[in-house]
Amino acid sequence: GAGVSQSPSNKVTEKGKDVELRCDPISGHTALYWYRQSLGQGLEFLIYFQGNSAPDKSGLPSDRFSAERTGGSVSTLTIQRTQQEDSAVYLCASSLGAAWGGEQYFGPGTRLTVT
Amino acid sequence: AQSVTQLDSHVSVSEGTPVLLRCNYSSSYSPSLFWYVQHPNKGLQLLLKYTSAATLVKGINGFEAEFKKSETSFHLTKPSAHMSDAAEYFCVVTAGREGNKLVFGAGTILRVKS
Repeated sequence: GAGVSQSPSNKVTEKGKDVELRCDPISGHTALYWYRQSLGQGLEFLIYFQGNSAPDKSGLPSDRFSAERTGGSVSTLTIQRTQQEDSAVYLCASSLGAAWGGEQYFGPGTRLTVT
Repeated sequence: AQSVTQLDSHVSVSEGTPVLLRCNYSSSYSPSLFWYVQHPNKGLQLLLKYTSAATLVKGINGFEAEFKKSETSFHLTKPSAHMSDAAEYFCVVTAGREGNKLVFGAGTILRVKS
C-alpha cells in the first residue's frame, strides 16, 4: 500500500514569508508526528497527534510554528514569518497507535530553504 | 529525560568485514529502542526494534542489536558489510507520554570500502 507522502518535496521561500507543509499519513494510522532534521540540531521531535486527543506540541521551537490535523488524516505544518534558521528537512511519520514501541513510518520529507 | 549517545560520528569498514555501530542510552524507565537507517536522499527506514522481549534483536538486511541493561547499550552489528549498507544510522529511544516521541541520536555515517 501507499506509504506516508509529503508535499512539496522542496520549498524555497523568502525570509518573512509563511509556508505550509502537507503530510498524508498511511491510511488507518491514528498517530501522526512531525520532526525536523537540520545540520546543527539533528533530528528533533516537533508535534504529535493521536486521534481526537489534544496534540503534544512540546517540541515546537516557537509560536511561529503550528500544525493541524483535519479529519484525523491529513496534517499541515505551518511556519509563519520564516527565518533562515527554519531551513531544514521536515519529516512526517505515522503509526497505528501510540503504544510504546509502535513503529513509526516516515515520509520522504520536505526540504525547506529560507533565503 | 531520555537520550541516546552514538559514540562514533563516522565508521569506515571494508566490504565483507564486520560492522559495529555503538549506542548508549539514558532512560528513567524501561525504554523501547530502535535503529533507523537513512540512505542518501531517501526516507528513514526501521532496521530493528527492542521492546522488552528478547534482548538480542534481529532486523532487516542481516543487522542485529543486543540490549544490555547493565551497560545501557544497544549496539548495532552485522557480520559482513555490503556496499549497499553505506548510509547514516540513527539510534532512537522512545520518550514522552505513551512513548509517542522518538529521541534520535546524532547519527553515525557508515562508509563501506571496496
